[in-house]
Amino acid sequence: SQTIHQWPATLVQPVGSPLSLECTVEGTSNPNLYWYRQAAGRGLQLLFYSVGIGQISSEVPQNLSASRPQDRQFILSSKKLLLSDSGFYLCAWSVHPGISTEAFFGQGTRLTVV
Amino acid sequence: KNEVEQSPQNLTAQEGEFITINCSYSVGISALHWLQQHPGGGIVSLFMLSSGKKKHGRLIATINIQEKHSSLHITASHPRDSAVYICAVSKNNNDMRFGAGTRLTVKP
Repeated sequence: SQTIHQWPATLVQPVGSPLSLECTVEGTSNPNLYWYRQAAGRGLQLLFYSVGIGQISSEVPQNLSASRPQDRQFILSSKKLLLSDSGFYLCAWSVHPGISTEAFFGQGTRLTVV
Repeated sequence: KNEVEQSPQNLTAQEGEFITINCSYSVGISALHWLQQHPGGGIVSLFMLSSGKKKHGRLIATINIQEKHSSLHITASHPRDSAVYICAVSKNNNDMRFGAGTRLTVKP
């Protein structure tokens, strides 16, 4: 069966420090991968998606970047965190892009930038 | 205006009550999802539907494509149903749009 792992679960980082959140998927090949952010009191917002190794699309301009070094690995990074980067980050995957497809979510990472 | 609107924002019910959460959307979609987010933040997909009605246990989801509206019903609600329920829509690309969520509290 397919599973998705996301870590760490919680993270407190000082402003200006780097960030690396990792997400891996097991049990499937060539998944579509997504990073979402849920800011306090707001809905989930798509940050990045990837349809294959090295293929990253960004939905919103921001202080973050994403990389997909392996088929089932998706990394969210920042060189210098801002206070506004605080939030709940979710990784997700789907078999097919968008069309009538079920999405599977990781457990999320709660990031607090202090 | 958000592309996906949910109501109510907050809902408190007594155990055993029938619960309805509504979702309206303004864009063309390929599918609609109902998700459940627990206090720790983890999200579970409850339903994905593109037409009609689906039922899992005490949960029922319906969608009316013409009216761009979906409802999530919980029958015989229980305190363990307390969570945030999120409506999301898939478009014909790699994008999902999410509602702000409905925080449900079921009291014993």
